[in-house]
Amino acid sequence: AQTVTQSQPEMSVQEAETVTLSCTYDTSESDYYLFWYKQPPSRQMILVIRQEAYKQQNATENRFSVNFQKAAKSFSLKISDSQLGDAAMYFCAYRSPGNQFYFGTGTSLTVIP
Amino acid sequence: DAGVIQSPRHEVTEMGQEVTLRCKPISGHNSLFWYRQTMMRGLELLIYFNNNVPIDDSGMPEDRFSAKMPNASFSTLKIQPSEPRDSAVYFCASSPKNRGTAEAFFGQGTRLTVV
Repeated sequence: AQTVTQSQPEMSVQEAETVTLSCTYDTSESDYYLFWYKQPPSRQMILVIRQEAYKQQNATENRFSVNFQKAAKSFSLKISDSQLGDAAMYFCAYRSPGNQFYFGTGTSLTVIP
Repeated sequence: DAGVIQSPRHEVTEMGQEVTLRCKPISGHNSLFWYRQTMMRGLELLIYFNNNVPIDDSGMPEDRFSAKMPNASFSTLKIQPSEPRDSAVYFCASSPKNRGTAEAFFGQGTRLTVV
């Protein structure tokens, strides 16, 4: 099975500041997909952003952007202008060519007013 | 579409009892996943179906766990007999296999407590 590692169990950020969440993964494949999901206390899993491995350009969705380093197998999430509603658990996910999704253990983000 | 529907939302059962969790994937999605979420291990992939056929069940922790998908619109995850260490949130997710950028769509999860 593929492995996805999130080395930061907890992070905190001041409101309006920027925070970066780290993720590394292990794969021998060249064609795959990466995702960041947000899980608020409601338990719902919400897609934040996706990245296709064959695209060199980093994905961006409003205040959320990624830094995708394919050779290093690194996929970090940057949240700019943090808002109170960004407080949640964030999961990094890898989708294999065989369509299996593997998740990291999550990073709990606290936003300080 | 109503999204992925799981039932029940909460389940409390006694050790040794059989537990059945249910999932209805999004119509048209042909991949279905069962995950278990715990604080220590995060989201663990238990089993993956494609076109109703189990493709990878290497994540199923032991023989007490079984999963079925009798048709494209329904799947079950059964634990028999249940144990306290099975207490967790169980998620079902579905995805359209052939769409390259498609994410996995999750249900609301079932919180299982075994006492």
